[in-house]
Amino acid sequence: IAGITQAPTSQILAAGRRMTLRCTQDMRHNAMYWYRQDLGLGLRLIHYSNTAGTTGKGEVPDGYSVSRANTDDFPLTLASAVPSQTSVYFCASSDSPAQGHEQFFGPGTRLTVL
Amino acid sequence: GQNIDQPTEMTATEGAIVQINCTYQTSGFNGLFWYQQHAGEAPTFLSYNVLDGLEEKGRFSSFLSRSKGYSYLLLKELQMKDSASYLCAVCDSNYQLIWGAGTKLIIKP
Repeated sequence: IAGITQAPTSQILAAGRRMTLRCTQDMRHNAMYWYRQDLGLGLRLIHYSNTAGTTGKGEVPDGYSVSRANTDDFPLTLASAVPSQTSVYFCASSDSPAQGHEQFFGPGTRLTVL
Repeated sequence: GQNIDQPTEMTATEGAIVQINCTYQTSGFNGLFWYQQHAGEAPTFLSYNVLDGLEEKGRFSSFLSRSKGYSYLLLKELQMKDSASYLCAVCDSNYQLIWGAGTKLIIKP
């Protein structure tokens, strides 16, 4: 693989169910990010990780959790999905969280919570 | 609070020039990014400005004025494939990106 992959591509989920969105990168980037994108709004940061073993909360972390056990993987878990979590989720990575380093995005996961 | 403003939608003609503006108010400033996003796809990097002035990259140029909290993306010789959303993002004092809602650019033949 090259770049960032996300799985699944799309998912329809019943409210209250648990769901993990997967994200894997092969660029050996230190920093990884999870965003959600909703119509009419900018990308909003959910959680981030500046390096393996560390994570931090973004702008909209409630209802989501992440882990960063190694450099390549950064899964996002919805413990008990609610309809307001219907969105397109993008995982991104960058070589460094510092100034000037562009973020590379995965293809996204379209999640619908009913 | 932090705020990034861009026009919601713009229309331009194939072969013409279009300027997409972005104004921002953020806690700290560590550079401004422009990304392109085609419908149903992921954002892709276009440009980065951290100092005042114009950065040119082929048909695309990006300008920054830090004192005015203002940037623009200039697209020349528009092609149909340039139809996309253009996202402005500011890197704040925590090195996190604050994103505008994006400008949908429609190119007409």
